[in-house]
Amino acid sequence: KAGVTQTPRYLIKTRGQQVTLSCSPISGHRSVSWYQQTPGQGLQFLFEYFSETQRNKGNFPGRFSGRQFSNSRSEMNVSTLELGDSALYLCASSLGELRGETQYFGPGTRLLVL
Amino acid sequence: GNSVTQMEGPVTLSEEAFLTINCTYTATGYPSLFWYVQYPGEGLQLLLKATKADDKGSNKGFEATYRKETTSFHLEKGSVQVSDSAVYFCALSSGSGGSYIPTFGRGTSLIVHP
Repeated sequence: KAGVTQTPRYLIKTRGQQVTLSCSPISGHRSVSWYQQTPGQGLQFLFEYFSETQRNKGNFPGRFSGRQFSNSRSEMNVSTLELGDSALYLCASSLGELRGETQYFGPGTRLLVL
Repeated sequence: GNSVTQMEGPVTLSEEAFLTINCTYTATGYPSLFWYVQYPGEGLQLLLKATKADDKGSNKGFEATYRKETTSFHLEKGSVQVSDSAVYFCALSSGSGGSYIPTFGRGTSLIVHP
């Protein structure tokens, strides 16, 4: 079974630009979650999509948005990039239905904002 | 709200030393508990988990026991190897209605010297 894939793996943008990151979950998984990982803040939850609907949301500004398609693939968009958005963005997939489920993480997209 | 507290790192050990990484949690209800590991340049992967009190999760020589009375899930390994050098994350998952977004600790970096 193929794992979670994320594209692109590395990205360099400048302040004020916008960026779209993509995540393809494991086949059969309907839940996709996004996290931001930085040395200072650790792993922070952005949002979760389940069956094309945002089911949970973390404490991030509205510049961070996402969506999920009918095949469960998900995209995350960050508009008006700031220097502080430089981070490793991880997505994780799971069935999204069971207590105690394991989340399966992709390798991440490393975003550098200059 | 839910929270996870891990000991701060880095933890530096010599090969074959005994490892303990402390993890305590605060949660409502009966959470599931996890240890994830992140190797350099990669996403997180599940190391072990436990879904109810007194359960012991184990994998690759690592163990952790779900202690409800002390709200702890400490990670242990009897003899570490250089290849165990990574960042270890304790996490809990609780919720209802099919929504079980995990809460992660800040991570503990482990460095094992030959």
